[in-house]
Amino acid sequence: NAGVMQNPRHLVRRRGQEARLRCSPMKGHSHVYWYRQLPEEGLKFMVYLQKENIIDESGMPKERFSAEFPKEGPSILRIQQVVRGDSAAYFCASSPVLAPGQETQYFGPGTRLLVL
Amino acid sequence: DQQVKQNSPSLSVQEGRISILNCDYTNSMFDYFLWYKKYPAEGPTFLISISSIKDKNEDGRFTVFLNKSAKHLSLHIVPSQPGDSAVYFCAATLGNQFYFGTGTSLTVIP
Repeated sequence: NAGVMQNPRHLVRRRGQEARLRCSPMKGHSHVYWYRQLPEEGLKFMVYLQKENIIDESGMPKERFSAEFPKEGPSILRIQQVVRGDSAAYFCASSPVLAPGQETQYFGPGTRLLVL
Repeated sequence: DQQVKQNSPSLSVQEGRISILNCDYTNSMFDYFLWYKKYPAEGPTFLISISSIKDKNEDGRFTVFLNKSAKHLSLHIVPSQPGDSAVYFCAATLGNQFYFGTGTSLTVIP
């Protein structure tokens, strides 16, 4: 998973605040995925983005959550008005190809969000 | 609705023996299956994959078996080494989406 950068690695927020999670994909990768891992659970797909496009956001909660991947700069996962249930590890992965398969995603180290 | 399931949360194996990690899925349309390994405080790293049209793929000490009729796949690690101790996730792909299991924590005892 070398090369995919996520920051911050740890983020503490109080209920009602905003959380911004950043992901810089590997060089040359133009596809980014965001996942959430709740305690004792597996990784849950949230959103899949290409540069300036949201391809699939079917795993994203309808409210308070948004994601973007601008032409320049990192991908951002934004959580507004955080609640305690948002506490989780958020992983970003990048891929060089459109169709996943034998090619794989490369994961970042994750951002651990704690909502007090 | 968990489409990919790993029913064993943990597994302990003696060094040198075989580790077998299991995964079941419900969607017969999945096109690829993958195994990832995850150490604490790190992101998952890709281990091995298999296309849905195959039933076996081998890479060094790691072999993945796919039984489509049973909707079951397994990862065999032989011989197991202490450095293999980690959480292993199986995943399946359908179009753009990856579906992950809940993980199995493998401990290889020296």
